[in-house]
Amino acid sequence: GQQLNQSPQSMFIQEGEDVSMNCTSSSIFNTWLWYKQDPGEGPVLLIALYKAGELTSNGRLTAQFGITRKDSFLNISASIPSDVGIYFCAGLMNRDDKIIFGKGTRLHILP
Amino acid sequence: DGGITQSPKYLFRKEGQNVTLSCEQNLNHDAMYWYRQDPGQGLRLIYYSQIVNDFQKGDIAEGYSVSREKKESFPLTVTSAQKNPTAFYLCASSLHHRETGGYTFGSGTRLTVV
Repeated sequence: GQQLNQSPQSMFIQEGEDVSMNCTSSSIFNTWLWYKQDPGEGPVLLIALYKAGELTSNGRLTAQFGITRKDSFLNISASIPSDVGIYFCAGLMNRDDKIIFGKGTRLHILP
Repeated sequence: DGGITQSPKYLFRKEGQNVTLSCEQNLNHDAMYWYRQDPGQGLRLIYYSQIVNDFQKGDIAEGYSVSREKKESFPLTVTSAQKNPTAFYLCASSLHHRETGGYTFGSGTRLTVV
């Protein structure tokens, strides 16, 4: 099946640092989604992107729909302890009937 | 408040036993999904249902079964044929299939085989 390559797999950062992660594919997607999963809970939708080049913010989070429609990026500014968790990218293709998920980026914040 | 409820939160099963995980939603969503999550593997689709009385296999359906007799409910049975059932199971729903607004997830059930 189709795959989304999400990187990095994990990140260790200091509180207050900015974070960048991305998701790439060999296929074109019409919708990109970013989810966050807290430990022991289900993922929660953070940002949805619907148009190539679109840049959308949600508080300290900013996500972009790549121009080629084959990638997406998520940035977190001024990280805080509650940002810890797993961030998943997800995409929806035109011909598919279900969302495809990346394997996630696990964010750790050092004290 | 509308939402999606999974129960129980933790489940222990002896080898060779079948076990059923519950998933209920009151969002009036047509589509429902079951995912399995293992460390480092991301979310893998087990089964999904686009509408009542219909469901399709996902990427890892072997050893699992589902039913969709009611719109609100999509229980997952982990059978004794599933060789490595210990995992975190997530149920999700969406207004309809190919929902560009994404899925709503439950809080998961952690299944441990003892």
